[in-house]
Amino acid sequence: EIVLTQSPATLSLSPGERATLSCRASQYVARSLAWYQHKPGQPPRLLIYDTSNRATGIPARFSGSGSGTDFTLTVSSLEPDDFAVYYCQHGNSRLFTFGPGTKVDLK
Amino acid sequence: QVQLVESGGDVVQPGMSLRLSCVASGIIFSSHGMHWVRQAPGKGLDWVSFIYSDGSNQFYADSVKGRFTISRDDATNTVYLQMNSLRVEDTAVYYCTRDRAKAFLDSWGQGTLVTVSS
Repeated sequence: EIVLTQSPATLSLSPGERATLSCRASQYVARSLAWYQHKPGQPPRLLIYDTSNRATGIPARFSGSGSGTDFTLTVSSLEPDDFAVYYCQHGNSRLFTFGPGTKVDLK
Repeated sequence: QVQLVESGGDVVQPGMSLRLSCVASGIIFSSHGMHWVRQAPGKGLDWVSFIYSDGSNQFYADSVKGRFTISRDDATNTVYLQMNSLRVEDTAVYYCTRDRAKAFLDSWGQGTLVTVSS
């Protein structure tokens, strides 16, 4: 079973700052990693799939990188709407797992 | 556009059963695998179950295996989650989601709340 860990648990930043979120897999997952944004009272939203592909309608300030076991989600310049919880996720056709999440909150 | 609408959430006692439904529109339903994902109060996202587009395979998280069953009806664009022997720890918002490439989840419903309490 693949376990995903995310760091930091909380990231306190101001609008305009760069956010760097990490996700580490317990086993090799190639580039099969996705990122989601989740705000209270709303469903999660897919941001990035296959490590670095932005989903439809996702702004260019969101980018993903990495491979193997270490992955990064970067928000180049935080907008007020970006303060939320971010989850990484891996799926292998049979089992799917989410990381515990990183909360990006207002400094 | 894609719309997924869940229903069936309720307050039930431990040991009871419940069936969740999710109706899809704006997609060719039979072409897509479907998942259920849940979020317990104050916790993170927790994958529950996945059914292939042709219904040939179903997969479950260990925490629900043997108690929950996922199924689909392509005639009505509906995916179901039959939940038996419910436990307090099954309390959560349950989301229906569309699968892409058997790897990620690209569309989500608004969720339905299941509360298991005595």
